[in-house]
Amino acid sequence: EVQLVQSRAEVKKPGESLKISCKGSEYSFTNYYIGWVRQMPGKGLEWMGIIYPGDSDTRYSPAFQGQVTLSADKSINTAYLQWSSLRASDTAMYYCARLRAQGDFDYWGQGTLVTVSS
Amino acid sequence: EIVMTQSPATLSVSPGERATLSCRASQSISSNLAWYQQKPGQAPRLLIYGASTRATGIPARFSGSGSGTEFTLTISSLQSEDFAVYYCQQSHNWLLITFGQGTRLEIK
Repeated sequence: EVQLVQSRAEVKKPGESLKISCKGSEYSFTNYYIGWVRQMPGKGLEWMGIIYPGDSDTRYSPAFQGQVTLSADKSINTAYLQWSSLRASDTAMYYCARLRAQGDFDYWGQGTLVTVSS
Repeated sequence: EIVMTQSPATLSVSPGERATLSCRASQSISSNLAWYQQKPGQAPRLLIYGASTRATGIPARFSGSGSGTEFTLTISSLQSEDFAVYYCQQSHNWLLITFGQGTRLEIK
């Protein structure tokens, strides 16, 4: 069965850097975009961007352009979301999900909770 | 940016009754619409794609309809496990995917 397994929860201080991961299995990882979605506490879903592990083609939501970096290592079927300098407002649950050609996200990771607090 | 607006924000329905959730796009998105269900502490789950096609394993009581700018998710006979938050998502523009703000379906 297709699985996306995300890295564990993180607690960081403002200004610190962070890279979280999403490892895919049981499907051809290089043939599907991986999307990242933010969910702030008690709020809805926000699309951050997508990356195609096959060639690292990346598209960002304007709201997140310049704020985060998406990357992927196809040799280990893993996508990444990283911040160079965290803010308290980055506190949220972050999900990765597989994007199908139909434009929907059919498989989701379990989520990584990022808490940024001094 | 295509803005997705869901209504109502909260819907109170009794078990066994029908629930109708709406999603409106700020411009035509053809049938490029998906619906997701999210329960507390869980990742979203794909219910409907292409506006009206049920995803694998989704019960027949869930149905989607609409095209262009107006879309509906109908749950024909609510079960206890259906009370959750529902989101619509457009993929008409892959460069700027957007979600609706969600409808919370609660027990009446």
